[in-house]
Amino acid sequence: GIQVEQSPPDLILQEGANSTLRCNFSDSVNNLQWFHQNPWGQLINLFYIPSGTKQNGRLSATTVATERYSLLYISSSQTTDSGVYFCAVDTNAGKSTFGDGTTLTVKP
Amino acid sequence: GAVVSQHPSWVICKSGTSVKIECRSLDFQATTMFWYRQFPKQSLMLMATSNEGSKATYEQGVEKDKFLINHASLTLSTLTVTSAHPEDSSFYICSARRTRLAEQYFGPGTRLTVT
Repeated sequence: GIQVEQSPPDLILQEGANSTLRCNFSDSVNNLQWFHQNPWGQLINLFYIPSGTKQNGRLSATTVATERYSLLYISSSQTTDSGVYFCAVDTNAGKSTFGDGTTLTVKP
Repeated sequence: GAVVSQHPSWVICKSGTSVKIECRSLDFQATTMFWYRQFPKQSLMLMATSNEGSKATYEQGVEKDKFLINHASLTLSTLTVTSAHPEDSSFYICSARRTRLAEQYFGPGTRLTVT
């Protein structure tokens, strides 16, 4: 099956710093989503981005499908950005495969 | 937006009993729902795909007789953990999609503890 690798596994930032999270995948995908899992376990949709670039406030994402990777940018990080960030990719079967996540800690 | 609810949020049950978890799409019709399991500090593992009006498709290694899934309508899927054991304790999360390849929305999860 498809392999999804996220890096880095852990990231510690000072409030106000910028960061880039990466998601590599091993095969062609139909779509890709980025999620933020908050401390209570809820997954929050960040981006639905099979290709191209999207921005939403301090967050933006870019997927280069031909090179099989996606990047999530967080600018001016805040303590509330802390949590686990997952990317999930879909194959033709319509099932999602999740990466192992990046655990982000933003310190005040 | 799209809202998915789960009930209950947490449940504690005794070994050998069965537990039912409900997943509802509140403001859209979901042709496909998914059930995931997540252990502490780990990623989400897909258990099964639930399509309205048809039998669920289980991932390899998931016992279909232990984890019964019913997708009775376009807004409701249920997961029943039968004869639960302590090793079934986990965080169970459902998701829903309008169509097979559409954006996926997640419920808040159900924390199951089997004593």
